[in-house]
Amino acid sequence: KAGVTQTPRYLIKTRGQQVTLSCSPISGHRSVSWYQQTPGQGLQFLFEYFSETQRNKGNFPGRFSGRQFSNSRSEMNVSTLELGDSALYLCASSFNNLNTEAFFGQGTRLTVV
Amino acid sequence: AQSVTQLDSQVPVFEEAPVELRCNYSSSVSVYLFWYVQYPNQGLQLLLKYLSGSTLVKGINGFEAEFNKSQTSFHLRKPSVHISDTAEYFCAVIPYGGSQGNLIFGKGTKLSVKP
Repeated sequence: KAGVTQTPRYLIKTRGQQVTLSCSPISGHRSVSWYQQTPGQGLQFLFEYFSETQRNKGNFPGRFSGRQFSNSRSEMNVSTLELGDSALYLCASSFNNLNTEAFFGQGTRLTVV
Repeated sequence: AQSVTQLDSQVPVFEEAPVELRCNYSSSVSVYLFWYVQYPNQGLQLLLKYLSGSTLVKGINGFEAEFNKSQTSFHLRKPSVHISDTAEYFCAVIPYGGSQGNLIFGKGTKLSVKP
């Protein structure tokens, strides 16, 4: 059974650009959550999608957005990139919306220069 | 609101020694509790979780944790560590009974096992 797949693994972008990250959950999982990991702030919740609906959103500016497709694959988008957006972005999938058994992908390492 | 405090940012230990990684949480509602491990350049892997029942939970790789409701703690233990246990460990909670289902993480504890 394939795990959670995040693409790309590494990304370098310039300030002001926008970026789209992709997450394919484990087959059959309907919940996808996104987290940002930085050395200073640790792991912070971005948003959660369940059956194509955003169920929960963390305390991030509107430049951060996401969506989920009918096949449960999810994308997150960051517009007008800032240096502080450099981070490891992790996606987690769960079978249900309780998230008591969340499986994480390897993450996308975004560097903003 | 909920918060998780991992009391040690770094824990050095010699191989085959026991280790305890400490975690305390604060919450106005009941929570589910988790420990995750992150190896370099990897995502997070679930070590163990407490949802209900016995307060002593056993996980993968020989780790166990004990939920103490009165002290709001969920410390992680292993009786004998290996070099391969070198990683960062994260304690996390999910409040239950409400609409919020996301994990709330502590800042992490870096375990360094020395030969």
